[in-house]
Amino acid sequence: DAKTTQPPSMDCAEGRAANLPCNHSTISGNEYVYWYRQIHSQGPQYIIHGLKNNETNEMASLIITEDRKSSTLILPHATLRDTAVYYCIAHNPNRDDKIIFGKGTRLHILP
Amino acid sequence: GAVVSQHPSWVICKSGTSVKIECRSLDFQATTMFWYRQFPKQSLMLMATSNEGSKATYEQGVEKDKFLINHASLTLSTLTVTSAHPEDSSFYICSASRGPSYEQYFGPGTRLTVT
Repeated sequence: DAKTTQPPSMDCAEGRAANLPCNHSTISGNEYVYWYRQIHSQGPQYIIHGLKNNETNEMASLIITEDRKSSTLILPHATLRDTAVYYCIAHNPNRDDKIIFGKGTRLHILP
Repeated sequence: GAVVSQHPSWVICKSGTSVKIECRSLDFQATTMFWYRQFPKQSLMLMATSNEGSKATYEQGVEKDKFLINHASLTLSTLTVTSAHPEDSSFYICSASRGPSYEQYFGPGTRLTVT
């Protein structure tokens, strides 16, 4: 899996959009960008994934640059419950099932 | 759908004893399950990949004789920490997948404390 780089921590005001960046400049053509988050003392929770096109679901939006070297996870209206560590992972689910976690971004939602 | 449970959610054991942790996929059949370990303020570290009916594949540096993994059915994998020591105290998390190209779903984790 390609290495990803994320800022170690970010703050966001409650009610505002949280934009979490991720660099994956060595991503290969068949690797997807996955986002998971982990709330304190819980297991990771799947958020969203994409290959080339932007994706949106009930939790978040994923914006992938045209060259696929970076992406941004957007939480449109952050709440205090969104405080967590967010992991961006470049992964080819067809080649190898295992997911390798990096250090992620610790997102603090401020009241 | 796609719920993964772990039991127990927390356990305290004495040094030298063995502890078994269960991981179950409640509403789907998991051909593959994964075991992770997480120390405080660190990321998840993959320990091993478990395929139903076959031997687990361990990551480099993980002792297979210490961390016994059994994936006896399509809904259950167990991790046994043998002869536990205080340094084995950690948060153990499993995940399950229907197979290649399917999503992985994570369990809630088991906190092990060895005294």
